[in-house]
Amino acid sequence: AQSVTQLDSQVPVFEEAPVELRCNYSSSVSVYLFWYVQYPNQGLQLLLKYLSGSTLVKGINGFEAEFNKSQTSFHLRKPSVHISDTAEYFCAVRRNSGGSNYKLTFGKGTLLTVNP
Amino acid sequence: DTGVSQDPRHKITKRGQNVTFRCDPISEHNRLYWYRQTLGQGPEFLTYFQNEAQLEKSRLLSDRFSAERPKGSFSTLEIQRTEQGDSAMYLCASSLGSAPYNEQFFGPGTRLTVL
Repeated sequence: AQSVTQLDSQVPVFEEAPVELRCNYSSSVSVYLFWYVQYPNQGLQLLLKYLSGSTLVKGINGFEAEFNKSQTSFHLRKPSVHISDTAEYFCAVRRNSGGSNYKLTFGKGTLLTVNP
Repeated sequence: DTGVSQDPRHKITKRGQNVTFRCDPISEHNRLYWYRQTLGQGPEFLTYFQNEAQLEKSRLLSDRFSAERPKGSFSTLEIQRTEQGDSAMYLCASSLGSAPYNEQFFGPGTRLTVL
């Protein structure tokens, strides 16, 4: 089984400041890693994903994440946030092979609030 | 391609009533998923369809829950004899099964409130 821990339930930051949202995972098998964003009253939108290769992954809206296998982490970063980045962010994993490899396992989410 | 749609967006019901939600996936997607998201939690997997076949059901899906996907197109999720603990956001997602990696595209969700 896989599990995901998002270390911060809420992260308040000021506009134009950098931000890091932390994610650690646990799995006995190799996984794909994802970050999703959820704006109020909307579904989940994929920000970025790590499948293989370069450990630094760039996504939409200026976000990037770095996969660290030894620390089993996949932290999300943005060098300068905007008010419009205010949303809930979810880290998720999926097995990359074997049974039930379609099933996403999510963390509890981090609410990012960007203040003016 | 209009994305994944769900109907209704909001449903308020009284305990003990039955409710049904509908999900329309992206038209060429043959895989469909239901997740449930309760307050303060991330989405949790409920069930998975490949075409019209329901291939996996989570233990979260009690016998009061039933999901169907007739003809491999839209899907319905029915909850019988609703309980207050069923209050949650129900999310539907779809993906294209033939790719080696299948991104799941999510709908906007149906928020259920059981009074």
